[in-house]
Amino acid sequence: GAGVSQSPRYKVAKRGQDVALRCDPISGHVSLFWYQQALGQGPEFLTYFQNEAQLDKSGLPSDRFFAERPEGSVSTLKIQRTQQEDSAVYLCASSLGQNSYEQYFGPGTRLTVT
Amino acid sequence: QKEVEQNSGPLSVPEGAIASLNCTYSDRGSQSFFWYRQYSGKSPELIMSIYSNGDKEDGRFTAQLNKASQYVSLLIRDSQPSDSATYLCAVSTNAGKSTFGDGTTLTVKP
Repeated sequence: GAGVSQSPRYKVAKRGQDVALRCDPISGHVSLFWYQQALGQGPEFLTYFQNEAQLDKSGLPSDRFFAERPEGSVSTLKIQRTQQEDSAVYLCASSLGQNSYEQYFGPGTRLTVT
Repeated sequence: QKEVEQNSGPLSVPEGAIASLNCTYSDRGSQSFFWYRQYSGKSPELIMSIYSNGDKEDGRFTAQLNKASQYVSLLIRDSQPSDSATYLCAVSTNAGKSTFGDGTTLTVKP
C-alpha cells in the first residue's frame, strides 16, 4: 500500500518568507507526527496529532511554527518568517494509534533558508 | 545529557560478522522501544520494535531490552554491505512522541 507522502521534497526559501509543508499519512492511521532533523542528528519531535486534535506541540521551537490537521488526515506544517536556523529536513510520520505505536516515516522535506 | 544515548561510531565490521548496536535511555517511564535504519539522504525506516524485557528476533535482527538497566540493543547477524547505514534508537513513554538518539553509523566491509 501507499506509504506516507510529503511535499514538496525540496524547498528553498529566502529569509523572512513563509513556507507550508504537506504530509499525507498512511490511510487509516490515526496518529501523525512532525519531526525536524538536522544533519548528523536524530529526529527531534515537533508536534503530534491524534485525528484532528493536536495533543502535543511541546517541540515547536517558536511561535513561528504552526501545524494543523483539520480533517484528521492531511497535515500542514507552516513556518512563518523563516530564519536560517530553520534549515533542516522536516519529517512526517504516522502510526495506527489504538495501541499500535510503530511510526512510519515519509521521505521528508529538505528546507533550505537563504 | 541526552535522553537517549548511542555511540556515534563509526562501527565497522567485516561481512558475515555480528554487528552490535547499543542504546541507553534516561526516562524510566519509557514503554516502547524502536530501532530505525537510515541510509544517507533517506528517511528513517522502522526495522524493529520491542515492548517487554528480553529478546525479540526478526530474521537477521535481534532486539534486546533490559528496563532495569535502561538499555536496549540491536544485533545484526551475518552482516551484509547493504546493512551499512545509520541506526537510530527511539524511545517512547506512550503513544505520543518518540525521542531519538543521534544514531550509530555502521559500515560493513566486504
